[in-house]
Amino acid sequence: KAGVTQTPRYLIKTRGQQVTLSCSPISGHRSVSWYQQTPGQGLQFLFEYFSETQRNKGNFPGRFSGRQFSNSRSEMNVSTLELGDSALYLCASSLGDRDYAPQYFGPGTRLTVT
Amino acid sequence: AQKVTQAQTEISVVEKEDVTLDCVYETRDTTYYLFWYKQPPSGELVFLIRRNSFDEQNEISGRYSWNFQKSTSSFNFTITASQVVDSAVYFCALSEASGNAGKSTFGDGTTLTVKP
Repeated sequence: KAGVTQTPRYLIKTRGQQVTLSCSPISGHRSVSWYQQTPGQGLQFLFEYFSETQRNKGNFPGRFSGRQFSNSRSEMNVSTLELGDSALYLCASSLGDRDYAPQYFGPGTRLTVT
Repeated sequence: AQKVTQAQTEISVVEKEDVTLDCVYETRDTTYYLFWYKQPPSGELVFLIRRNSFDEQNEISGRYSWNFQKSTSSFNFTITASQVVDSAVYFCALSEASGNAGKSTFGDGTTLTVKP
């Protein structure tokens, strides 16, 4: 099976712009989670989508949003970018139907805000 | 609230040494799941092991072993006879049950460097 794919891999944006990141989960996986990874804050949970519905949400401002499509692919959007949004954004997929299902991560999108 | 603490920020060992990575967690749930992930320099987190709160059996997989102790809220990871390829950042993570499978709390990670 193909792994989790994320596009683009690298992105440079300017403050105030918005950005959309994409994630394609492993075939058959219905849950997609997004995490932000920074040197200072570590890995922080953004949100999780399961069957096109947001099932869990982390403590991030409303500028961070997401959605999931019927094929389980997910997008994450960040509006009005700030310098502090520079991070590695990781997407993870899992079957989602069991609490103990492990997550499988993609390679991430490295976002740099200047 | 749940929390995962990996007190060791960085560890450096020489090849063939054994090394233990510590993980201490906090949760109010009685049902929860613990995970270890490896993040090599390439950046992609790789799932290593899962343990649920009802299963305190230790597990061994090749050179890797895990020790889960509920009494001390710890889930430690030992690499025996370490190799250079083990160099990576290792994360311990916790998921609480009740529909929170996709929401994990991660520790800050331990950077392991194995020198030849």
